[in-house]
Amino acid sequence: GAVVSQHPSRVICKSGTSVKIECRSLDFQATTMFWYRQFPKQSLMLMATSNEGSKATYEQGVEKDKFLINHASLTLSTLTVTSAHPEDSSFYICSARSSYNSPLHFGNGTRLTVT
Amino acid sequence: GENVEQHPSTLSVQEGDSAVIKCTYSDSASNYFPWYKQELGKGPQLIIDIRSNVGEKKDQRIAVTLNKTAKHFSLHITETQPEDSAVYFCAASIGTGGTSYGKLTFGQGTILTVHP
Repeated sequence: GAVVSQHPSRVICKSGTSVKIECRSLDFQATTMFWYRQFPKQSLMLMATSNEGSKATYEQGVEKDKFLINHASLTLSTLTVTSAHPEDSSFYICSARSSYNSPLHFGNGTRLTVT
Repeated sequence: GENVEQHPSTLSVQEGDSAVIKCTYSDSASNYFPWYKQELGKGPQLIIDIRSNVGEKKDQRIAVTLNKTAKHFSLHITETQPEDSAVYFCAASIGTGGTSYGKLTFGQGTILTVHP
């Protein structure tokens, strides 16, 4: 149980374009999803907290207009990187939990490369 | 905010030996401490977790201990195997309820290598 699916696993896009990443909870309803970013050989940095039906809460330093998060249903959250630049290249990972007291489970990440 | 420090950054052991990874946290309000294993190119996988009302938890070859007074917790892996090789992250949660519950702060990670 507690499977989180993330798609695509890899994406290459040109500078200036937008990319959408999907995060789905396959066998549970996720009240909250979190989006993380990870640079090579570094730890996970929280970007934003997404609650179903409400606006995402962004961490300090994360541009909300650049990283658009939508959590329209209890099983799907999307992260859209708008007007991507090479410095946005990174490993983006989503996570989800079914309730406030349940463990957090992660997707397998999306490797974004902006050329 | 919460700050989690993890040591060592790299750990190399022989197959069959034990491995210990330690973490300290700064926020005394943190009450949930999970450990994740991350293999190359994949997302973190939860391997064990502990809550602040428990001092120790064990699951087969993996155990976690928590010292609330000292604000540190440790991961113990016994009888290590080559497939245990991965990056291990500790984490601590901020807050005890509401929408911020489960918002994890991660340690820097430990690259564990188990030599056959």
